[in-house]
This record gives sequence, C-alpha cells and structure tokens, in this order.
Amino acid sequence: RKEVEQDPGPFNVPEGATVAFNCTYSNSASQSFFWYRQDCRKEPKLLMSVYSSGNEDGRFTAQLNRASQYISLLIRDSKLSDSATYLCVVKGHGNNRLAFGKGNQVVVIP
Amino acid sequence: NAGVTQTPEFQVLKTGQSMTLQCAQDMNHEYMSWYRQDPGMGLRLIHYSVGAGITDQGEVPNGYNVSRSTTEDFPLRLLSAAPSQTSVYFCASSTGAGNQPQHFGDGTRLSIL
Repeated sequence: RKEVEQDPGPFNVPEGATVAFNCTYSNSASQSFFWYRQDCRKEPKLLMSVYSSGNEDGRFTAQLNRASQYISLLIRDSKLSDSATYLCVVKGHGNNRLAFGKGNQVVVIP
Repeated sequence: NAGVTQTPEFQVLKTGQSMTLQCAQDMNHEYMSWYRQDPGMGLRLIHYSVGAGITDQGEVPNGYNVSRSTTEDFPLRLLSAAPSQTSVYFCASSTGAGNQPQHFGDGTRLSIL
C-alpha cells in the first residue's frame, strides 16, 4: 500500500460549484498533514495545514479523520483560478520526511 | 528574502555527463531535501539533510550524491547522467520544527539525451 493515496481525477467542476476530495495515508503514526497546490509543474506551494479539529481558510476547508486515516479538502464557490493539482502531504512522527500523494487535478469550467 | 533558490532552471545533458544542481536558502533552515517529479507520479525524495554535515538517502537515491557543508547550500550531483533521470527536480527547506511546512524552489527541468 502506498504511503499516501489520492484519486488523480481530473475533477471537472463548474464555476461556482463545490468540490471535495480525500486522501488516505497508511502510517497511523503520522503527525502532520498538509494540502499543497501545484500549478502546471511549477513548485508546490502550501495551501493549508490540516489540524485535528478541522480548519477553514476562506473557501477552503480541510478535515482530518485519524480513525479512518484520511484527510479531505473541500473547495466552495470554485473559481477558475482554483484550477490546479492539489497535493496531499503527510509528515511522519519524529522526522521531517514528507510523503506526497500524486495529487488531485481540479479543472474549473466556466 | 529570496527563499529557496535553484539553478539552473533548465538543463540538457548527454548520457554520461555529470553536473551539479544548485540549491541555496537564506532562511537559516536546518532541514533541506531534494525531490524529483515525473509525469503521473508524486514527488519522490532523493536525499535529505537535517543540518550541516548530515545527509541521508531518501526513496530514490541511486545515481545522485549530495553534500551539506553549510546550512545554506545543498547541491545535488548527478554522477553519470542517464535518460531515466530526465525529470523536474525540486529543492525544499524547512525549520524542521513541529508542524512547519516545506518551502520549495522553482525547480530545475533536466533532460538527458
């Protein structure tokens, strides 16, 4: 089983709609979780960290489910500029090694 | 602050050539790492360093060497380039503390002919 798994999509989303996707991780000892955004093979950029209680940043909401070992990202009121690949990133306990998923490709359609 | 700076941005090599990809950060980060990204695959860790003088292998270290003589610099060396090393290479750094994310450079697009 891969350390971090994501459904690559693409997720075709009408502008203004809501889209959500999950990422599963295999290491139950994982401590830190992030969503990164990557545009057209440019460098990944941090979108948001994911906290145990869930957290929101504007139109973006992230959730963590430790029991089922997945994190989720929800985007409300999708904008054309949200078109990108969203990478799920998991950091192990006691080290700084990050495990990356392959990414969820989101295409917002006018 | 420049953040994480990678050079060159693009490079074409012939099979068997060697070269060094440069990475420098000005944030006094202890942790630095190199990844490669190939189509349809996630970022894969090549080598990483938790501080000056300390390096370790990641997931795909074969064919690459690294050194960390200073906190700021973490060069990646290709010993004898092979077509399988055609990829986009990203360098990243972080403080290494707790829930802190990594900062990425702009990447080096490398083609091996």
